[in-house]
Amino acid sequence: SQKIEQNSEALNIQEGKTATLTCNYTNYSPAYLQWYRQDPGRGPVFLLLIRENEKEKRKERLKVTFDTTLKQSLFHITASQPADSATYLCALPRGYNQGGKLIFGQGTELSVKP
Amino acid sequence: GAVVSQHPSRVICKSGTSVKIECRSLDFQATTMFWYRQFPKQSLMLMATSNEGSKATYEQGVEKDKFLINHASLTLSTLTVTSAHPEDSSFYICSARNLRSPQETQYFGPGTRLLVL
Repeated sequence: SQKIEQNSEALNIQEGKTATLTCNYTNYSPAYLQWYRQDPGRGPVFLLLIRENEKEKRKERLKVTFDTTLKQSLFHITASQPADSATYLCALPRGYNQGGKLIFGQGTELSVKP
Repeated sequence: GAVVSQHPSRVICKSGTSVKIECRSLDFQATTMFWYRQFPKQSLMLMATSNEGSKATYEQGVEKDKFLINHASLTLSTLTVTSAHPEDSSFYICSARNLRSPQETQYFGPGTRLLVL
């Protein structure tokens, strides 16, 4: 079955720097991959979706890459701000024709210090 | 954007009682809603998929008689934790798929914190 691994260690960076988070998966290549933000005690908020035929996607200060050879996605936040501090989750469809069911990584906690 | 609400946001109950959690899509119709559970510092785990007008499908290891799901309308799904025990204490999150959006789009609710004493 598909497994997802995200950096389990919290990432601490200085304001203004670029944060880079990693999501690795182990099995079949998914048709797409999603990144979410989750604040303590809240549900996930969708950030970006990247499809298997896309190498890179951008949205404002966010950039996601998708390398199906390495089975890896990188999530970048440029010019990071303390307000970006949260846990970031990657999610993949559980399989083909699974009706949109997702599996999630355990998330990486990002802390941006002023 | 599409909004999903959950009620209550947090609930404390005694062991052995039942708790109902509501998930509503506020400004769109949701043919499918998903229920997840999240323990501290862990990933969201899918519990069940709720389709309007039909029986829910449960993931392996999730007891359907303990976690009753009803999806009676296109905007409401409920999860009832029956005879709750302390090990059921968790963060329960629902998500909804918009009828008009691509299959991969889900909108998540804010979650319900359940504490069973």
